[in-house]
Amino acid sequence: AQKITQTQPGMFVQEKEAVTLDCTYDTSDPSYGLFWYKQPSSGEMIFLIYQGSYDQQNATEGRYSLNFQKARKSANLVISASQLGDSAMYFCAMRASGATNKLIFGTGTLLAVQP
Amino acid sequence: AAGVIQSPRHLIKEKRETATLKCYPIPRHDTVYWYQQGPGQDPQFLISFYEKMQSDKGSIPDRFSAQQFSDYHSELNMSSLELGDSALYFCASSLEGQGFNSPLHFGNGTRLTVT
Repeated sequence: AQKITQTQPGMFVQEKEAVTLDCTYDTSDPSYGLFWYKQPSSGEMIFLIYQGSYDQQNATEGRYSLNFQKARKSANLVISASQLGDSAMYFCAMRASGATNKLIFGTGTLLAVQP
Repeated sequence: AAGVIQSPRHLIKEKRETATLKCYPIPRHDTVYWYQQGPGQDPQFLISFYEKMQSDKGSIPDRFSAQQFSDYHSELNMSSLELGDSALYFCASSLEGQGFNSPLHFGNGTRLTVT
């Protein structure tokens, strides 16, 4: 069975500072992908960044980077230079290469960026 | 770039009524997923279709059914609606040939309220 754990229900960060959102995962499948999604209060689900289980380097997309530690089964999202518009719910999610490719989500972290 | 289109954006129904949610995936995407997100919860997988055939089934009530049509659009049919069905319903699409490396791209969701 696959599982995503996000232990931070809520986080605060000052504008322009960096913030790390934690994510650990569990799977017996050797091939998997890890994803982060942003959900603003308006409700849409926005894909941010992806990390494959065989990727040697940490993924980066603009101000987003993924701190991938395979041995620890963690895939933390780092947001640099936080902006007010980063205030949202952030979900860590995983797809594995088994018979089903559905995306499973963690419980999310609500990030509030303070001016 | 074209995104996943869902309609309607908002839907208000009474108990025991039926509802139909529609989803138009990104062009050339061959897989459609449906998710249900209750208030304050993470999205829960309902059902998926690959090339118009059901590929996986999650926690979808027997009162719900779905299908994918020849033009790849999908519909989620919900009957005998209950108050607990009030949620945000997402459709997502992906290109299955890329397997677990491919992110799911989500529509803006349909917010269903059952009164």
